[in-house]
Amino acid sequence: EVQLVESGGGLVKPGGSLRLSCAASGFTFSSYSMNWVRQAPGKGLEWVSSISSSSSYIYYADSVKGRFTISRDNAKNSLYLQMNSLRAEDTAVYYCARKVEMATIGFFDYWGQGTLVTVSS
Amino acid sequence: SYVLTQPPSVSVAPGQTARITCGGNNIGSKSVHWYQQKPGQAPVLVVYDDSDRPSGIPERFSGSNSGNTATLTISRVEAGDEADYYCQVWDSSSDHREVFGGGTKLTVL
Repeated sequence: EVQLVESGGGLVKPGGSLRLSCAASGFTFSSYSMNWVRQAPGKGLEWVSSISSSSSYIYYADSVKGRFTISRDNAKNSLYLQMNSLRAEDTAVYYCARKVEMATIGFFDYWGQGTLVTVSS
Repeated sequence: SYVLTQPPSVSVAPGQTARITCGGNNIGSKSVHWYQQKPGQAPVLVVYDDSDRPSGIPERFSGSNSGNTATLTISRVEAGDEADYYCQVWDSSSDHREVFGGGTKLTVL
C-alpha cells in the first residue's frame, strides 16, 4: 500500500524557517517524481515545487522561488521542503504528492494527509 | 502563465447528473486531470488524462475535453459525492508548472 506521511509543520514567526519531511512507503520511491502542493485555509490547491526521481530536475512556483528548497533522499525514501523567509501568506496545509509522468501527461495519483504550517507573530 | 477557470459552485439533486467545467485556452490540446477533496481530507484523483479512471473510482465519474473546456461528469449523483473538485494540467512548456483550477464546490441538494 502506497503511503505518504508528512511531518514538520507548526507555528513559526514571519521571517522564520521550517523543514517539512515526507516519508514514503509501499512503492519504489526512486522511480517517481515527487511534488509539494499547498492549500491555504479555505482556499484552493496551489502547486509549490517538484523534483524528478534522480533530483536532476527541480521546479518552483514563482511564489516560493528563492525561499523554498525541495530535496529528496532516495536511500531514505524521503522528500523534504526547506522553507525560509516565511511569510503570512505561506500559511497552509502542505501535501506531498506522487506524480505519474507519461510524455506530456503528469498527474498526482497519491497524496499524503498534509501538515499544517502557520506563519504568525 | 496558464489559467484554469472553474465555476465556484454547482448544485444537483440526488440521482441527477452533475457537470463541472474547467476552462482554459485551447485546453483540448492538454491532458486534464480531476481531483475530489472532501472536508479535512487530502485530494483524491478521480479522472486522469481527460477521461480515464483510476482503479476504485466508480464508473459514474467520467471526463471529456475539447476546445477551450474540459468537463467532469458525475452521473447518478449521491450524497457522498458532495465535495470540492479541482481540475489540473501540467504545463510542460512553461517551466514545467502544475496548474490547478480554483475548485468547484459540488452541493447535493
